[in-house]
Amino acid sequence: QVQLVESGGGLVKPGGSLRLSCVASGFNFSDYYMSWIRQAPGKGLEWLSYISSSGQTTDYADSVKGRFTISRDNGKNSLYLQMIGLRAGDTALYYCARELRMRLPSTYDFWGQGTLVTVSP
Amino acid sequence: DIQVTQSPSSLSASVGDRVTITCRANQNINYYLNWYHHRPGKGPKLLIYGASSLQSGVPSRFSGGGSGTDFTLTISSLQPEDFATYYCQQSYSRPFTFGQGTKLEIK
Repeated sequence: QVQLVESGGGLVKPGGSLRLSCVASGFNFSDYYMSWIRQAPGKGLEWLSYISSSGQTTDYADSVKGRFTISRDNGKNSLYLQMIGLRAGDTALYYCARELRMRLPSTYDFWGQGTLVTVSP
Repeated sequence: DIQVTQSPSSLSASVGDRVTITCRANQNINYYLNWYHHRPGKGPKLLIYGASSLQSGVPSRFSGGGSGTDFTLTISSLQPEDFATYYCQQSYSRPFTFGQGTKLEIK
């Protein structure tokens, strides 16, 4: 069955860095676009970034552009989010999600359980 | 960016009730609207795609409707596991944006 397992979250000071990982299993990872989406405490879902199946195309939300970098290693079935210049406002539960594009419209049809990032002095 | 706005932001109901949540986009998004169910400690779950198509494995008490700018999610007879937060999401154009969520609580 499809599984997405995030890791790498933790407590970091403002200005610090973290690298999140998402390991995929149960499907052909290299066929799918992938995204990172977060939920801040008491807030809704916020899309952050996506990467195409080959890794050649990426995009970011304005809130993280220039600070976060998405990447993938299809040989390791893994998705990454490198985060630098972290701020208190980046405190959130971070999810990786698979984007299903084989039917319209695109959907996020599978999600991980999330990894918690806390930015605090 | 396309904005999608849900209402209400919270809703109290009882097991067996019928409830409807609405989602409005600030421009025509055709049928490119999806609904998700999110329970604490779990990843969100896709319920409805393309405004009205039921995702595989989702119970038939869930239904979606609408097109253009106005959409609905209806749960015909609430079950205990349905008490959660619901999000709409447009995938008409990137960035794909979410509504702010509707928290469905037990009365």
